[in-house]
Amino acid sequence: SQKIEQNSEALNIQEGKTATLTCNYTNYSPAYLQWYRQDPGRGPVFLLLIRENEKEKRKERLKVTFDTTLKQSLFHITASQPADSATYLCALPTSGTYKYIFGTGTRLKVLA
Amino acid sequence: DGGITQSPKYLFRKEGQNVTLSCEQNLNHDAMYWYRQDPGQGLRLIYYSQIVNDFQKGDIAEGYSVSREKKESFPLTVTSAQKNPTAFYLCASSSSGTGLRSNQPQHFGDGTRLSIL
Repeated sequence: SQKIEQNSEALNIQEGKTATLTCNYTNYSPAYLQWYRQDPGRGPVFLLLIRENEKEKRKERLKVTFDTTLKQSLFHITASQPADSATYLCALPTSGTYKYIFGTGTRLKVLA
Repeated sequence: DGGITQSPKYLFRKEGQNVTLSCEQNLNHDAMYWYRQDPGQGLRLIYYSQIVNDFQKGDIAEGYSVSREKKESFPLTVTSAQKNPTAFYLCASSSSGTGLRSNQPQHFGDGTRLSIL
């Protein structure tokens, strides 16, 4: 079955450093992948989408890579700030259906 | 401002009671979805609708029901048949009737937290 994995352990980093979050998937070849940010008690907010033919996508301090050979996407936040502290979710459209699979999310905490 | 409104923010259900969660959007989106989020688990799809008067079951539809009589509204009823309803419920929408295939992002509401009394 199709699976998507994100590191369930929280990631703590110092302010100003680059945070790197991982999304791995198996038994699947998605046409694209999305990243969302979720704050406590709130709904997820869309951040970036990357297609299978794109190796890298950037938006301000955010960068996403997509390696279809490794079946992995990396999400980077450069010059991290305490305001970046949140849970970050990756999502993939499932093949042959009208559904998304969401990862469990990785909680990021940026320490001042 | 355009967006998705979920109400109420907190809801309590008594044993044997049905409760309805409201979801309204003014984004003019065709597709709407209901997810359930439990601690340590990803979002799980309950129901989705691509157009008015049509909806499909997601992965965990048992014990839930929906209706889509208007484009703007997609209410979710948690029935007494749902034995473990305590969770955070999220409603989302996306543009176009084939939102999941057209890679359009999903726009989420701020959720309803349902608890059992």
